[in-house]
Amino acid sequence: AQKITQTQPGMFVQEKEAVTLDCTYDTSDPSYGLFWYKQPSSGEMIFLIYQGSYDQQNATEGRYSLNFQKARKSANLVISASQLGDSAMYFCAMRDFLSGTYKYIFGTGTRLKVLA
Amino acid sequence: DAGVIQSPRHEVTEMGQEVTLRCKPISGHDYLFWYRQTMMRGLELLIYFNNNVPIDDSGMPEDRFSAKMPNASFSTLKIQPSEPRDSAVYFCASSITGYYGYTFGSGTRLTVV
Repeated sequence: AQKITQTQPGMFVQEKEAVTLDCTYDTSDPSYGLFWYKQPSSGEMIFLIYQGSYDQQNATEGRYSLNFQKARKSANLVISASQLGDSAMYFCAMRDFLSGTYKYIFGTGTRLKVLA
Repeated sequence: DAGVIQSPRHEVTEMGQEVTLRCKPISGHDYLFWYRQTMMRGLELLIYFNNNVPIDDSGMPEDRFSAKMPNASFSTLKIQPSEPRDSAVYFCASSITGYYGYTFGSGTRLTVV
């Protein structure tokens, strides 16, 4: 069965520093996608970054990068040069492709607080 | 594009009342998802549709919950009768075949008193 684990309920980081948010996953499907979403206090879910299981390179989107270690089944989000606006909940999610479903499962989230 | 539109943004209702949440997906998207978010259980998939047909409703908590998608541009999630434990944020999201990601609506915060 699919499972996503985020072991850090809360994190602090100093403004302008980098921070890594952990995510591990479990699936028996060889083809899958991993996602990170940001949920600010206003409540909306904002898509940040995607990594496919067969992608050779780690995904990057601006200040966001995904440290994908397939053998370890980890997909950590790295935010470089943190900004105060990065304070939010961050969710890791996964979708299996070969199962034919389009549904995600989500981790429990990590609350990030950026300190001035 | 206006994105996924949910209404209302906030709903407060009394226990036992019927509640209807509404969602308009992005035009052209053929998948629609209803999620519920609570502190205790996180984000849970309730049901999803493909081309207006329910594909997986295994996450619907009980018979009090029902969802419909009468056409490609509109879906409802109904709770009848509502209970305090239904209090949560309900998200609608849509996606399109061949694309890996979802677009979420802004959510409906439901409070049942």
